[in-house]
Parts: sequence; C-alpha cells; structure tokens
Amino acid sequence: AQSVTQPDIHITVSEGASLELRCNYSYGATPYLFWYVQSPGQGLQLLLKYFSGDTLVQGIKGFEAEFKRSQSSFNLRKPSVHWSDAAEYFCAVGAGSGKSTFGDGTTLTVKP
Amino acid sequence: NAGVTQTPKFQVLKTGQSMTLQCAQDMNHNSMYWYRQDPGMGLRLIYYSASEGTTDKGEVPNGYNVSRLNKREFSLRLESAAPSQTSVYFCASSETGVEGTDTQYFGPGTRLTVL
Repeated sequence: AQSVTQPDIHITVSEGASLELRCNYSYGATPYLFWYVQSPGQGLQLLLKYFSGDTLVQGIKGFEAEFKRSQSSFNLRKPSVHWSDAAEYFCAVGAGSGKSTFGDGTTLTVKP
Repeated sequence: NAGVTQTPKFQVLKTGQSMTLQCAQDMNHNSMYWYRQDPGMGLRLIYYSASEGTTDKGEVPNGYNVSRLNKREFSLRLESAAPSQTSVYFCASSETGVEGTDTQYFGPGTRLTVL
C-alpha cells in the first residue's frame, strides 16, 4: 500500500526567505506525485505534479519540486516566500488509478 | 465552467438525523471521490467512484453511503449522524485512464457539525 509522510506539521518563515517542505513516500513502483495547496476555508488546488521525465518540476505561483527516487522524496521549494503563500500544503502519491493517498499536511505561516 | 460544486456549504445536524451532501462536476471526469478532513489528519477517503455506475469503499466508509447518480453527480449520505462525523467534507473528481493525469479537482467543501 502507498503512504505519504510530511514530517513537518507547521513551518514558519519570514517573507522573502526561501522555503522547503518535505515529503517522503512509500510505493513499490514509479509513483505519481502531487503537491496541493489549501487556503483557509477553501478546497485543495494543484500546485504541481510529477509523472515521469525531468525530476525537477515547475508549478504555479513560483513553486518547484524535485523527485529523488533514491530518497523516496518529493520536496517542495520556493526561492522567496510571499505573505500570500501562507496556507496548508499537502503532498500526495497516486498509482495511476485515480486514487491518491494524502499526507497529513504542513501548515505554512509567513512572518512579515 | 464551475468545476466541482458542493451543497450545502454549512450544515448543523442533531445526532441521529440524516442528510445528503451533493456534489456535481462539469469537467466530464470519470472518477469522483468523497473525503473528510479533520485537524491533523489530512484527507481521508470515504468512498470513490471510478466510473458511472460503480462505487467502492475508501479508508473510512462506516456510517456513510454514496450514489453515483450519473457521470456528473456523486452524493454522500449520512443515515444516522453521529458527533464523530463532525468534519469538513470534500468532493473531488479526476480524469483517469489517461497517462499522466489523475490530478484531482476539489470542491469548496461542506462544513458539517453534528450535535
């Protein structure tokens, strides 16, 4: 069975600082990997996804993520955080069947 | 193109009452899902429907039933609500069967409180 671990429940960064959110997955084959963002009171929105090919993927809002098979990781990064990035971020792994397993989420707080 | 819509947005029930949460998508997606979201527990899959006419249990199906009415609509029913079902419920849809897809599109959620 597939699983996702987001080790950091809550992260606080200063506006303009860089950001890295960690995600580790467990899956027997090549996974489909996703990062979603959830603003307060809203549903989830896709930031980026990885299926195959280049292991560094670009997403919306200036986010990127790198797939590292050897570390079973898919960490999300942003060079310079904006106050509007404050939200909850979910990593998810899928098997290509449509169903995805979600991590427990990381809440990002941005200090002015 | 409204995407995924859910009704109602908010609901308060008394223990033992029943209700149906409605979900519709206008993206012609094959698959639809119901999740519940509780603090610190991420999203847990209640039921899903891979295609019209099929439904399957997810991680936490007890106390819920679903109906895939047609390709657009997927409803979630609580027959006898319990306080443990107080949660935020999200409906989602995805286009499956196509390489490189499986991106899920989410509705805005229904905030349910059971007293």
